[in-house]
Amino acid sequence: EPEVTQTPSHQVTQMGQEVILRCVPISNHLYFYWYRQILGQKVEFLVSFYNNEISEKSEIFDDQFSVERPDGSNFTLKIRSTKLEDSAMYFCAITVRAGDPYEQYFGPGTRLTVT
Amino acid sequence: QKEVEQNSGPLSVPEGAIASLNCTYSDRGSQSFFWYRQYSGKSPELIMSIYSNGDKEDGRFTAQLNKASQYVSLLIRDSQPSDSATYLCAVGQDSGAGSYQLTFGKGTKLSVIP
Repeated sequence: EPEVTQTPSHQVTQMGQEVILRCVPISNHLYFYWYRQILGQKVEFLVSFYNNEISEKSEIFDDQFSVERPDGSNFTLKIRSTKLEDSAMYFCAITVRAGDPYEQYFGPGTRLTVT
Repeated sequence: QKEVEQNSGPLSVPEGAIASLNCTYSDRGSQSFFWYRQYSGKSPELIMSIYSNGDKEDGRFTAQLNKASQYVSLLIRDSQPSDSATYLCAVGQDSGAGSYQLTFGKGTKLSVIP
């Protein structure tokens, strides 16, 4: 199984602050995704990133969210002005095989707590 | 709105028994189907993928797909206490824009009793 790391593992922030969550795939991957999971709820798609640009985003992914791959390896999710309801686990997912883009492998996640 | 439905459980089975987990989905255009295992506080772990009608076996796991009924299931044979987790059904679709987003069900919590 491909390795994906995420930092930080836990982030506590105050409402209105900006946070940056990082995803570091171990090898070069094609597709990147961010999902979130509010405690006790479903895993929800946020955004997909392919060929260094956003390919699709959900209704959740509004103007306060952004993604980029600044150095060609790290994949970041930025939340500009956090709200209490942004508290969730955020997972980065990647695909590894061009012939099977559906199989997504999840990183360990970042627990975001907004106070 | 794409929906993936699962019985939330908990589903309790004795050790060594077969656990049967079910999932239905609403979007007939769905092309790929996955089962993930999620331990409490951890990330989803991919355990099975299936794309065609019928059965697919991998060790103690068998995934079954029936696209006409929009139904996918997971059987776990010889269940072990370590199988106790929440099992997430996920359905994928090619948006045609270089995205293959997954829609997840809420998951079924499985408890294997020693």
